[in-house]
Amino acid sequence: ETGVTQTPRHLVMGMTNKKSLKCEQHLGHNAMYWYKQSAKKPLELMFVYNFKEQTENNSVPSRFSPECPNSSHLFLHLHTLQPEDSALYLCASSQVSRGQGSGEQYFGPGTRLTVT
Amino acid sequence: AQSVSQHNHHVILSEAASLELGCNYSYGGTVNLFWYVQYPGQHLQLLLKYFSGDPLVKGIKGFEAEFIKSKFSFNLRKPSVQWSDTAEYFCAVKVTSGTYKYIFGTGTRLKVLA
Repeated sequence: ETGVTQTPRHLVMGMTNKKSLKCEQHLGHNAMYWYKQSAKKPLELMFVYNFKEQTENNSVPSRFSPECPNSSHLFLHLHTLQPEDSALYLCASSQVSRGQGSGEQYFGPGTRLTVT
Repeated sequence: AQSVSQHNHHVILSEAASLELGCNYSYGGTVNLFWYVQYPGQHLQLLLKYFSGDPLVKGIKGFEAEFIKSKFSFNLRKPSVQWSDTAEYFCAVKVTSGTYKYIFGTGTRLKVLA
């Protein structure tokens, strides 16, 4: 596998279910991100992990819970979601260096989530 | 608040027409600028980026963009589009103030007619 991979690619879940999205980056990067992509809206940054530490949480509801066990893997745990949470969830990674900050992001294909 | 505006939400062009997609941002500090493309059914890919130096940057597939600091703009251009350029294009800005943050525009859907 190369680049950034995400599983599953499609997920349908009920509002009482618990599921997890998985992201893996094969680029040796040290920062990973979760974004939400909804129609006609800018990409919404949800969470940022730098060197496995969460550095940003953009007022995301607690029904979304991220986990970053190492610099290559990122999870998004979902529970008791609402229909308005239906969207494409994108994972990205980048390389952060102390002198130059973060370079460009590399994106995975996304997980299309439908909450019924 | 920091934001990125893409003025054209939908653009339809015939093959060989010239393309210019607008992107403006609101942030007074140092920025890095990006254009990403999302082809139908594919993931977001980097088209080009500006970090420093020559404000006219060239990317893949004949695309270029010009950073005009005084206008807070980073417009994307291509002299002659092809049918295969049909995609959604996203402008993004990375701002650095203590920590860093990426801000994306809403995207522009380009359809090129063969």
